[in-house]
Amino acid sequence: DAGVIQSPRHEVTEMGQEVTLRCKPISGHNSLFWYRQTMMRGLELLIYFNNNVPIDDSGMPEDRFSAKMPNASFSTLKIQPSEPRDSAVYFCASRPNNYGYTFGSGTRLTVV
Amino acid sequence: KQEVTQIPAALSVPEGENLVLNCSFTDSAIYNLQWFRQDPGKGLTSLLLIQSSQREQTSGRLNASLDKSSGRSTLYIAASQPGDSATYLCAVRQGGSEKLVFGKGTKLTVNP
Repeated sequence: DAGVIQSPRHEVTEMGQEVTLRCKPISGHNSLFWYRQTMMRGLELLIYFNNNVPIDDSGMPEDRFSAKMPNASFSTLKIQPSEPRDSAVYFCASRPNNYGYTFGSGTRLTVV
Repeated sequence: KQEVTQIPAALSVPEGENLVLNCSFTDSAIYNLQWFRQDPGKGLTSLLLIQSSQREQTSGRLNASLDKSSGRSTLYIAASQPGDSATYLCAVRQGGSEKLVFGKGTKLTVNP
């Protein structure tokens, strides 16, 4: 089992550019989560999907952020346009029913 | 609103010492509690998961306890080693929710 796979590992982009982060959950895990980690706020849930359906996106900071899960093996988090305050580490996690979470290695995003 | 607090924020101990990391939460209606380890620049590694009906879980030199009524969990590390140096995060899953609420973590340094 390769675990939760995120790409890219690092992303540096200029303010105003579109950024797309990718996640492949563990096969058979029916829930997928996107978290953001910053020094100031720690880990915060942005959005989660259950059986590919977005359930709670109340943590998405603003309309510049969007997430999709077109199938059970792939999800994207898009930021358009990006701003310097979006700089953070973005984690994807997946979970089977009633068990604990498995996190990916994260994408470190820097917006200059 | 659930809040998770971890004390201390940082801890430095000599190798071989037994130590306890603390986690408290404000709402006792939790589904489970999970301890994670995060190495610098890396993702989160799950250490132990305690369901709300359980009192403790053990894995090797690690033992996690849960006292739901008092809103507390402890992570006990026996015979600490320099390789245990990392940030330890406590996360609570609320009953009826898919969301994990994280503490800010305890940064542990084990000195040789």
